[in-house]
Parts: sequence; structure tokens; C-alpha cells
Amino acid sequence: DQQVKQNSPSLSVQEGRISILNCDYTNSMFDYFLWYKKYPAEGPTFLISISSIKDKNEDGRFTVFLNKSAKHLSLHIVPSQPGDSAVYFCAANFGNEKLTFGTGTRLTIIP
Amino acid sequence: EAGVTQFPSHSVIEKGQTVTLRCDPISGHDNLYWYRRVMGKEIKFLLHFVKESKQDESGMPNNRFLAERTGGTYSTLKVQPAELEDSGVYFCASSPLQWTGELFFGEGSRLTVL
Repeated sequence: DQQVKQNSPSLSVQEGRISILNCDYTNSMFDYFLWYKKYPAEGPTFLISISSIKDKNEDGRFTVFLNKSAKHLSLHIVPSQPGDSAVYFCAANFGNEKLTFGTGTRLTIIP
Repeated sequence: EAGVTQFPSHSVIEKGQTVTLRCDPISGHDNLYWYRRVMGKEIKFLLHFVKESKQDESGMPNNRFLAERTGGTYSTLKVQPAELEDSGVYFCASSPLQWTGELFFGEGSRLTVL
């Protein structure tokens, strides 16, 4: 039973436009959410996170939005750049630091 | 500062053989995690060490998998005997004892069982 779901396996976006990646979760105990970025043959690298006490967190071109009532979060990348092409994983946890990941969304930025 | 390192980067073995994967966490990180990603699926939790103790091994698939972290430094994950469904990428991650908001991942060990 997947507790973190990324329903879009892939997404293509024109360079310079906004990329929006979505994630849904089912476990209402989750209180911390993260996005990881993964290039081929590399390990996931941390991108941005948000605590459940907030609804938005911004870091440069990356913004994460959290809608607790809908159990939904999204990652916005603007403007999108070719180097953003990667697989993006949504993850969540509560208390004990064990992260639960989604299946990932492959983002392709078209020059 | 060195990141999380994993060895080997890729291992190809036949069904029934044994493979041992190694992870060296970031120096000083007491938390060490093993995760696995099977093709196209989620990165799935296997187990969590705090120093040399197993804190949570709820994700270990079965008793063919054995993880150790003697001395609380590096960790090994042994698969014996390997089955076809064990193929995937095994990631190791570490973090300090005090939660800093992220896990630091290694590049992974790709296991192919033929």
C-alpha cells in the first residue's frame, strides 16, 4: 500500500516555463515532506523540504506547496532549465526519520 | 568531506549466489539506512541502524537479507541466496543523530541477478 504517490511518471516542459510536479499522500501522521532530485547513475540529492506547520517554502527557483486538507504537495520550478532534467522523488516522514518515497516523476526540459 | 560511498557500483550474479554490498556513511553520522529501488518503482525502505543497533528492519524482504554494522561505522548488506526479484539499485543513506532535515544518499549499488 503506497503511502506517497506520484501519479505522473513523466513530464516534459519547455525551457523557461514553469514545471509543476505533484505528490499525494495518504498517511495523516506525516509531518515533514521532502523533494529529492536524481540524475542517472547517481544517488538522490536533497532539493527542498517543508514542515506540516507551513504551506509554502521557497528556495530560489524552487517552491514547495503543501495542502494538508487535500494531502497534496507540489514542487514548482520556475524558470525551468535544461539542468533540471532529472527524476524527482517526493518523500515524507514523521518523527523517526524513516523516509517514505513516491515512485518518482521524470522531468524533461525541452530547450 | 567525503559523502556516502557504496561498493560495488554494479554487481552481476547468478541466481543462488551470494552478494555483499558495502556502505561507508559520512563520518560522524550515527544513522544509516538501506533503501532499494526496483525498476520504475518507489525507493523502498529496508532498514535503519543507529550506530551499531538495528532501529527498524521492518522493510527487509525476507531472511535471505542480512545487514550488519559492526562498530557503528560501515555497513554491509548480504543477499544469500540471491533471487531474480532481488535485482535493483540498493541505496545507502546516512544522517547525524540529531535530525537535520535530510538524508544523504550514496550513488547506489546496482544488483543484477540472472
